[in-house]
Amino acid sequence: RKEVEQDPGPFNVPEGATVAFNCTYSNSASQSFFWYRQDCRKEPKLLMSVYSSGNEDGRFTAQLNRASQYISLLIRDSKLSDSATYLCVVILAGGTSYGKLTFGQGTILTVHP
Amino acid sequence: NAGVMQNPRHLVRRRGQEARLRCSPMKGHSHVYWYRQLPEEGLKFMVYLQKENIIDESGMPKERFSAEFPKEGPSILRIQQVVRGDSAAYFCASSPISSGGLQYQETQYFGPGTRLLVL
Repeated sequence: RKEVEQDPGPFNVPEGATVAFNCTYSNSASQSFFWYRQDCRKEPKLLMSVYSSGNEDGRFTAQLNRASQYISLLIRDSKLSDSATYLCVVILAGGTSYGKLTFGQGTILTVHP
Repeated sequence: NAGVMQNPRHLVRRRGQEARLRCSPMKGHSHVYWYRQLPEEGLKFMVYLQKENIIDESGMPKERFSAEFPKEGPSILRIQQVVRGDSAAYFCASSPISSGGLQYQETQYFGPGTRLLVL
């Protein structure tokens, strides 16, 4: 079983749509959670951290369910510029894990006019 | 404030040659991480370094790969005797302190990557 699993998609949605991505992680000791986005042939960029209480940043809402080991990202009012690969990322707690980011495969989103 | 810099951006090598990839972290950052992204795959952790120390190299292949982060100068990822399977994008990230061990999270900032092609 992969440490971080995502539905690879692709998701093709029209502008203005709401789209949700899901992610599960296998290690219950995972400590920190993030969503990154990666544009084609570019580096990953942090979209938002994910907190236990859930958090929102403009059109983006992230949720964490530790009991189910499940993370989600909701994008409202999709824009053409949201087209990218969305990466679910976790960090294990302590020990030698330090800042080692563990990435999911990524979910491809295409927003069309 | 310049971001993480990597060079070269593109590198072509023939099988058996050596590849040297460089990463200059953001100013004030003393922690460097290397990740590899194989074609059609996700990013995989390779190694975590602080100045003059390798902290975690659990993701590094046992042979042909080495990394360093000297007191002065950039971090270097070195691949000896490259093979076609080494063709990938290699990303470096830096942070001011470890992202895993504190109450607050320190973001890792990624460089633009080096795309290695082995012929």
